[in-house]
Amino acid sequence: EDKVVQSPLSLVVHEGDTVTLNCSYEVTNFRSLLWYKQEKKAPTFLFMLTSSGIEKKSGRLSSILDKKELFSILNITATQTGDSAVYLCAVDPSAGTDKLIFGTGTRLQVFP
Amino acid sequence: DAGVTQSPTHLIKTRGQQVTLRCSPKSGHDTVSWYQQALGQGPQFIFQYYEEEERQRGNFPDRFSGHQFPNYSSELNVNALLLGDSALYLCASSPVGQGLNTGELFFGEGSRLTVL
Repeated sequence: EDKVVQSPLSLVVHEGDTVTLNCSYEVTNFRSLLWYKQEKKAPTFLFMLTSSGIEKKSGRLSSILDKKELFSILNITATQTGDSAVYLCAVDPSAGTDKLIFGTGTRLQVFP
Repeated sequence: DAGVTQSPTHLIKTRGQQVTLRCSPKSGHDTVSWYQQALGQGPQFIFQYYEEEERQRGNFPDRFSGHQFPNYSSELNVNALLLGDSALYLCASSPVGQGLNTGELFFGEGSRLTVL
Protein backbone atom coordinates (compact mmCIF):
# COMPACT_ATOMS: atom_id res chain seq x y z
CA GLU A 1 0.00 0.00 0.00
CA ASP A 2 1.30 3.43 -0.96
CA LYS A 3 2.12 5.62 2.03
CA VAL A 4 3.71 8.93 2.96
CA VAL A 5 5.06 9.40 6.48
CA GLN A 6 5.94 12.76 8.00
CA SER A 7 7.93 13.53 11.11
CA PRO A 8 7.81 14.99 13.61
CA LEU A 9 4.03 15.14 14.04
CA SER A 10 4.34 18.34 16.02
CA LEU A 11 7.04 20.93 16.60
CA VAL A 12 7.18 23.95 18.91
CA VAL A 13 9.94 26.53 18.40
CA HIS A 14 10.74 30.18 19.10
CA GLU A 15 11.01 32.88 16.50
CA GLY A 16 14.40 32.84 14.80
CA ASP A 17 14.90 29.09 15.14
CA THR A 18 15.58 26.88 12.12
CA VAL A 19 13.43 23.81 11.62
CA THR A 20 13.65 20.71 9.44
CA LEU A 21 10.55 18.76 8.52
CA ASN A 22 10.85 15.23 7.19
CA CYS A 23 8.86 13.26 4.66
CA SER A 24 9.48 9.65 3.61
CA TYR A 25 7.46 7.70 1.11
CA GLU A 26 6.80 4.22 -0.20
CA VAL A 27 4.85 4.26 -3.43
CA THR A 28 4.53 2.00 -6.42
CA ASN A 29 4.88 4.85 -8.91
CA PHE A 30 6.49 8.22 -8.39
CA ARG A 31 6.18 11.35 -10.50
CA SER A 32 6.76 14.17 -8.03
CA LEU A 33 6.70 15.15 -4.37
CA LEU A 34 4.89 18.26 -3.23
CA TRP A 35 4.87 20.37 -0.09
CA TYR A 36 1.82 22.34 1.01
CA LYS A 37 1.20 24.75 3.90
CA GLN A 38 -2.18 24.58 5.61
CA GLU A 39 -2.85 27.47 7.96
CA LYS A 40 -6.56 27.14 8.51
CA LYS A 41 -8.34 25.31 5.76
CA ALA A 42 -7.01 25.62 2.21
CA PRO A 43 -3.60 24.01 1.66
CA THR A 44 -1.36 26.34 -0.33
CA PHE A 45 1.37 25.11 -2.63
CA LEU A 46 5.01 25.52 -1.61
CA PHE A 47 7.20 23.29 -3.76
CA MET A 48 7.15 20.51 -6.32
CA LEU A 49 10.22 18.28 -6.51
CA THR A 50 10.90 15.79 -9.26
CA SER A 51 14.68 15.36 -9.35
CA SER A 52 17.07 14.23 -6.64
CA GLY A 53 19.55 16.63 -5.16
CA ILE A 54 18.18 19.82 -6.65
CA GLU A 55 17.21 22.28 -3.94
CA LYS A 56 14.15 24.42 -4.39
CA LYS A 57 14.13 27.73 -2.52
CA SER A 58 11.58 30.38 -1.79
CA GLY A 59 12.67 33.02 0.67
CA ARG A 60 13.37 31.35 4.00
CA LEU A 61 11.95 28.01 2.84
CA SER A 62 13.87 25.36 0.97
CA SER A 63 13.34 21.73 0.09
CA ILE A 64 15.26 18.86 -1.42
CA LEU A 65 14.41 15.36 -2.60
CA ASP A 66 16.38 12.11 -2.35
CA LYS A 67 14.82 9.57 -4.70
CA LYS A 68 17.29 6.87 -3.76
CA GLU A 69 16.49 7.01 -0.05
CA LEU A 70 12.84 7.97 -0.73
CA PHE A 71 12.61 11.08 1.39
CA SER A 72 12.42 14.83 1.29
CA ILE A 73 13.08 17.58 3.79
CA LEU A 74 11.60 21.03 4.15
CA ASN A 75 13.78 23.61 5.90
CA ILE A 76 12.55 26.87 7.34
CA THR A 77 15.20 29.29 8.56
CA ALA A 78 14.68 32.27 10.89
CA THR A 79 11.15 31.14 11.68
CA GLN A 80 8.41 33.70 12.25
CA THR A 81 5.03 33.41 13.97
CA GLY A 82 3.44 33.52 10.53
CA ASP A 83 5.10 30.20 9.74
CA SER A 84 2.81 28.50 12.26
CA ALA A 85 0.78 25.99 10.26
CA VAL A 86 0.45 22.35 9.31
CA TYR A 87 2.94 21.38 6.61
CA LEU A 88 1.74 18.62 4.33
CA CYS A 89 3.87 16.40 2.14
CA ALA A 90 2.26 14.61 -0.80
CA VAL A 91 3.38 12.27 -3.55
CA ASP A 92 1.96 12.45 -7.06
CA PRO A 93 2.21 8.90 -8.36
CA SER A 94 1.34 9.48 -11.99
CA ALA A 95 1.00 12.10 -14.64
CA GLY A 96 -2.37 13.33 -15.74
CA THR A 97 -4.17 12.89 -12.44
CA ASP A 98 -4.55 14.87 -9.26
CA LYS A 99 -4.62 11.77 -7.07
CA LEU A 100 -2.11 12.90 -4.48
CA ILE A 101 -1.13 10.72 -1.53
CA PHE A 102 -0.74 12.92 1.55
CA GLY A 103 1.04 12.38 4.81
CA THR A 104 -0.60 13.32 8.09
CA GLY A 105 1.32 16.57 8.26
CA THR A 106 3.64 18.27 10.73
CA ARG A 107 2.09 20.91 12.97
CA LEU A 108 4.57 23.74 13.50
CA GLN A 109 3.98 26.33 16.22
CA VAL A 110 6.30 29.33 16.36
CA PHE A 111 6.15 31.44 19.51
CA PRO A 112 7.52 34.99 19.87
CA ASP B 1 -9.06 36.10 -10.56
CA ALA B 2 -11.32 34.02 -8.36
CA GLY B 3 -9.73 30.98 -6.84
CA VAL B 4 -11.51 27.76 -5.95
CA THR B 5 -14.77 28.46 -4.15
CA GLN B 6 -16.76 26.01 -2.07
CA SER B 7 -20.14 26.07 -0.39
CA PRO B 8 -21.38 25.75 2.23
CA THR B 9 -18.49 26.48 4.59
CA HIS B 10 -20.04 24.66 7.52
CA LEU B 11 -22.96 22.30 7.91
CA ILE B 12 -24.37 19.92 10.45
CA LYS B 13 -26.28 16.77 9.55
CA THR B 14 -27.57 13.73 11.40
CA ARG B 15 -26.77 10.11 10.70
CA GLY B 16 -28.59 8.70 7.71
CA GLN B 17 -29.11 12.04 6.01
CA GLN B 18 -27.71 13.07 2.66
CA VAL B 19 -25.49 16.05 1.87
CA THR B 20 -24.43 17.94 -1.27
CA LEU B 21 -21.30 20.06 -1.36
CA ARG B 22 -20.46 22.43 -4.20
CA CYS B 23 -17.27 23.64 -5.82
CA SER B 24 -16.34 26.13 -8.52
CA PRO B 25 -12.83 25.67 -9.89
CA LYS B 26 -10.26 28.36 -10.44
CA SER B 27 -10.74 30.25 -13.69
CA GLY B 28 -9.13 28.38 -16.57
CA HIS B 29 -9.14 25.01 -14.80
CA ASP B 30 -11.16 22.11 -16.17
CA THR B 31 -10.42 19.35 -13.67
CA VAL B 32 -11.85 19.07 -10.17
CA SER B 33 -10.79 16.69 -7.42
CA TRP B 34 -12.36 16.11 -4.03
CA TYR B 35 -10.51 15.24 -0.85
CA GLN B 36 -11.65 14.31 2.64
CA GLN B 37 -9.58 15.54 5.56
CA ALA B 38 -10.43 14.08 8.96
CA LEU B 39 -9.24 15.91 12.05
CA GLY B 40 -5.50 15.51 12.52
CA GLN B 41 -5.05 13.68 9.22
CA GLY B 42 -3.85 14.56 5.78
CA PRO B 43 -6.33 14.91 2.91
CA GLN B 44 -7.50 11.66 1.29
CA PHE B 45 -8.41 11.54 -2.39
CA ILE B 46 -12.07 10.78 -3.07
CA PHE B 47 -12.37 11.24 -6.85
CA GLN B 48 -11.52 13.42 -9.80
CA TYR B 49 -13.79 14.80 -12.53
CA TYR B 50 -12.83 15.87 -16.01
CA GLU B 51 -15.13 16.35 -19.02
CA GLU B 52 -18.10 15.66 -16.75
CA GLU B 53 -16.91 12.15 -16.00
CA GLU B 54 -15.31 10.51 -12.99
CA ARG B 55 -11.74 9.75 -14.08
CA GLN B 56 -10.08 8.51 -10.91
CA ARG B 57 -11.46 7.23 -7.63
CA GLY B 58 -9.92 6.65 -4.24
CA ASN B 59 -10.88 4.08 -1.67
CA PHE B 60 -14.32 5.44 -0.80
CA PRO B 61 -17.66 3.60 -0.82
CA ASP B 62 -20.41 4.19 -3.37
CA ARG B 63 -22.19 6.41 -0.85
CA PHE B 64 -19.81 9.07 -2.15
CA SER B 65 -20.77 10.26 -5.60
CA GLY B 66 -20.16 13.32 -7.66
CA HIS B 67 -21.00 15.29 -10.70
CA GLN B 68 -19.31 17.83 -12.94
CA PHE B 69 -21.25 20.39 -14.93
CA PRO B 70 -20.43 21.87 -18.36
CA ASN B 71 -19.04 24.99 -16.68
CA TYR B 72 -16.56 22.71 -14.82
CA SER B 73 -18.15 23.24 -11.43
CA SER B 74 -18.72 20.12 -9.37
CA GLU B 75 -20.82 18.60 -6.63
CA LEU B 76 -19.98 15.97 -4.05
CA ASN B 77 -22.89 13.94 -2.69
CA VAL B 78 -22.73 11.71 0.34
CA ASN B 79 -25.67 9.45 1.17
CA ALA B 80 -26.57 7.64 4.37
CA LEU B 81 -24.21 9.75 6.44
CA LEU B 82 -22.17 8.09 9.17
CA LEU B 83 -20.50 9.69 12.17
CA GLY B 84 -17.15 8.89 10.52
CA ASP B 85 -18.01 11.11 7.58
CA SER B 86 -17.41 14.15 9.77
CA ALA B 87 -14.48 15.93 8.14
CA LEU B 88 -13.30 18.88 6.11
CA TYR B 89 -14.11 18.29 2.45
CA LEU B 90 -11.65 20.01 0.15
CA CYS B 91 -12.13 20.69 -3.50
CA ALA B 92 -9.08 21.21 -5.69
CA SER B 93 -8.75 22.23 -9.31
CA SER B 94 -6.07 22.07 -11.95
CA PRO B 95 -5.69 22.34 -15.71
CA VAL B 96 -4.48 18.73 -15.89
CA GLY B 97 -7.20 17.79 -18.33
CA GLN B 98 -5.61 20.12 -20.83
CA GLY B 99 -2.29 18.39 -20.41
CA LEU B 100 -1.05 21.33 -18.39
CA ASN B 101 -0.13 19.37 -15.31
CA THR B 102 2.22 21.59 -13.34
CA GLY B 103 1.68 19.39 -10.31
CA GLU B 104 0.16 22.28 -8.40
CA LEU B 105 -3.35 21.79 -7.12
CA PHE B 106 -5.34 24.84 -6.08
CA PHE B 107 -7.49 24.11 -3.04
CA GLY B 108 -10.65 25.77 -1.82
CA GLU B 109 -11.31 26.68 1.79
CA GLY B 110 -13.33 23.53 2.26
CA SER B 111 -16.71 22.55 3.65
CA ARG B 112 -16.66 21.36 7.23
CA LEU B 113 -19.26 18.64 7.73
CA THR B 114 -20.32 17.53 11.18
CA VAL B 115 -22.49 14.42 11.46
CA LEU B 116 -24.35 13.99 14.75
